[in-house]
Amino acid sequence: GESVGLHLPTLSVQEGDNSIINCAYSNSASDYFIWYKQESGKGPQFIIDIRSNMDKRQGQRVTVLLNKTVKHLSLQIAATQPGDSAVYFCAENPGTASKLTFGTGTRLQVTL
Amino acid sequence: EPEVTQTPSHQVTQMGQEVILRCVPISNHLYFYWYRQILGQKVEFLVSFYNNEISEKSEIFDDQFSVERPDGSNFTLKIRSTKLEDSAMYFCASSENQASSGKLFFGSGTQLSVL
Repeated sequence: GESVGLHLPTLSVQEGDNSIINCAYSNSASDYFIWYKQESGKGPQFIIDIRSNMDKRQGQRVTVLLNKTVKHLSLQIAATQPGDSAVYFCAENPGTASKLTFGTGTRLQVTL
Repeated sequence: EPEVTQTPSHQVTQMGQEVILRCVPISNHLYFYWYRQILGQKVEFLVSFYNNEISEKSEIFDDQFSVERPDGSNFTLKIRSTKLEDSAMYFCASSENQASSGKLFFGSGTQLSVL
């Protein structure tokens, strides 16, 4: 069935290193993908999005890569900081206009 | 920065009771949503709302659930007769555009505990 899943439930990186968080999706009809960050006690916070007609998009310290051939999405965080510690969710719009389907989440732990 | 606000932050209720979760979306947004997250699980879509009517709802959003925009600023989720499995964090979100073309702004959530 339709699913958006993450390969690793927890990722631990050292401060200053780059982080890569991965996501697999199964619905080839999805045309819009978003990464959200969720800190403890807060709602998901938009980080970056990408449409299916692109394969890369860069923001401030973050880059999203989309590989439609293998239905894979990744979030790269450069020079990871302690404030980046959170759970990261990928989400997709599966073709319907008004809902997002979220993945299971990856917890990013930044060590000093 | 404008934000979505939700009240209460925590709600404890007895099984079978009605609860109303309240949200104030960002003022210039036109699309409103409720999502929920059971502890340790995914964020799940419940319902989307536009132009004073439901645009889409999930299979979770059964007859026990309803949404309303009673005035120009509030957006509410009512659960008519709560069940134990309704215990979750409920997130309200709003967007300027439909989810397919715009980004969602989420509130901090209401933690609902059904005893």
